[in-house]
Amino acid sequence: DAGVTQSPTHLIKTRGQQVTLRCSPKSGHDTVSWYQQALGQGPQFIFQYYEEEERQRGNFPDRFSGHQFPNYSSELNVNALLLGDSALYLCASSNRDRVIGANVLTFGAGSRLTVL
Amino acid sequence: DAKTTQPNSMESNEEEPVHLPCNHSTISGTDYIHWYRQLPSQGPEYVIHGLTSNVNNRMASLAIAEDRKSSTLILHRATLRDAAVYYCILRVNYGGSQGNLIFGKGTKLSVKP
Repeated sequence: DAGVTQSPTHLIKTRGQQVTLRCSPKSGHDTVSWYQQALGQGPQFIFQYYEEEERQRGNFPDRFSGHQFPNYSSELNVNALLLGDSALYLCASSNRDRVIGANVLTFGAGSRLTVL
Repeated sequence: DAKTTQPNSMESNEEEPVHLPCNHSTISGTDYIHWYRQLPSQGPEYVIHGLTSNVNNRMASLAIAEDRKSSTLILHRATLRDAAVYYCILRVNYGGSQGNLIFGKGTKLSVKP
């Protein structure tokens, strides 16, 4: 079982550019969540997708958008990059068909974005 | 948002037990208590979760207070590979939909050989 895979692992962009990060969920999982983790901080929830729709969203601006495909994979897009967007972006997958509250997330290793 | 309180850091000696405390005084009756850990340069990893009763798995044990306002993650024999940031999280049930995980800063565990 490959677990959650994310690409690219590292990337460097400049202010104002746009970036797309990709995530393949763990086999058998249908829900994908994205988190942003700044250096020295805990992960912050961005949004969650299942059935190809955004279901929950954290306190992030509209510059952050996403998509989920029929095969459950997902993309995170960030437009008009700011220096403060530099962070580790984590994708986590889960299976919605589980007892609510007991549901466990499987995280990928993340994509490290540096904005210059 | 449901919140937890953890010490910023703890130290342990290798092969000794470690007790990582967490306070969650605002927990509601349907909130599950989850623990994740994050090793350096990796994404968070699930450790254990529980609702009311104490739980054991191959990684750790979770002791939940009777009033559920606190819990303790127990690593029975710490190894160097257990050095990580440990997050205590309340998994909230938002009216039937899956609540997202709300991470705090966690406890950074150092293990000395």
